Amino acid sequence: GENVEQHPSTLSVQEGDSAVIKCTYSDSASNYFPWYKQELGKRPQLIIDIRSNVGEKKDQRIAVTLNKTAKHFSLHITETQPEDSAVYFCAASIDSSYKLIFGSGTRLLVRP
Amino acid sequence: DTAVSQTPKYLVTQMGNDKSIKCEQNLGHDTMYWYKQDSKKFLKIMFSYNNKELIINETVPNRFSPKSPDKAHLNLHINSLELGDSAVYFCASSQDPGHEQYFGPGTRLTVT
Repeated sequence: GENVEQHPSTLSVQEGDSAVIKCTYSDSASNYFPWYKQELGKRPQLIIDIRSNVGEKKDQRIAVTLNKTAKHFSLHITETQPEDSAVYFCAASIDSSYKLIFGSGTRLLVRP
Repeated sequence: DTAVSQTPKYLVTQMGNDKSIKCEQNLGHDTMYWYKQDSKKFLKIMFSYNNKELIINETVPNRFSPKSPDKAHLNLHINSLELGDSAVYFCASSQDPGHEQYFGPGTRLTVT
């Protein structure tokens, strides 16, 4: 079955710097890759997603890139702000499978 | 106005007891899920339902029995609670698999 590995487990950056979180997946049939943000004590919320027919997607300060050949996808956050501090999860699925497999999470700390 | 709601928010109980968690979504979605988030923040799919039918049972012990009385509700009943069941349980819903999942606020279950 699908396995998703996520790195790093913790990331500390200075406000204004960029942050990059990387994930790899095992099942080459996976075609849907969402990223969720979970603030302390809150529910996970989707921040961006990408499908396998595109290589990059941007939404303001957030971008996701996908390399299908290498089975890698990454989250890029530019101009980080303290409110970006949270746990970020990548995930992968085959969009007909009803099973979203999450990475282990990255705790991002943005220092003011 | 809440899209996905769960009750109770907190549940403290003793080993061996039976407890239920309720979930309701008002988004008109066809698919609902239960996830378990352990103390290390791993988010793991437990069950997926589509139109009240069980689609995925991710090797969850049969002490856990989900029930979907209609498309808007997915409840989780747990028999003979064990210490290892302590976790945060999230309900989620989506229009289809392969689309954004909306999570409930979570139920923190503590088994003593």
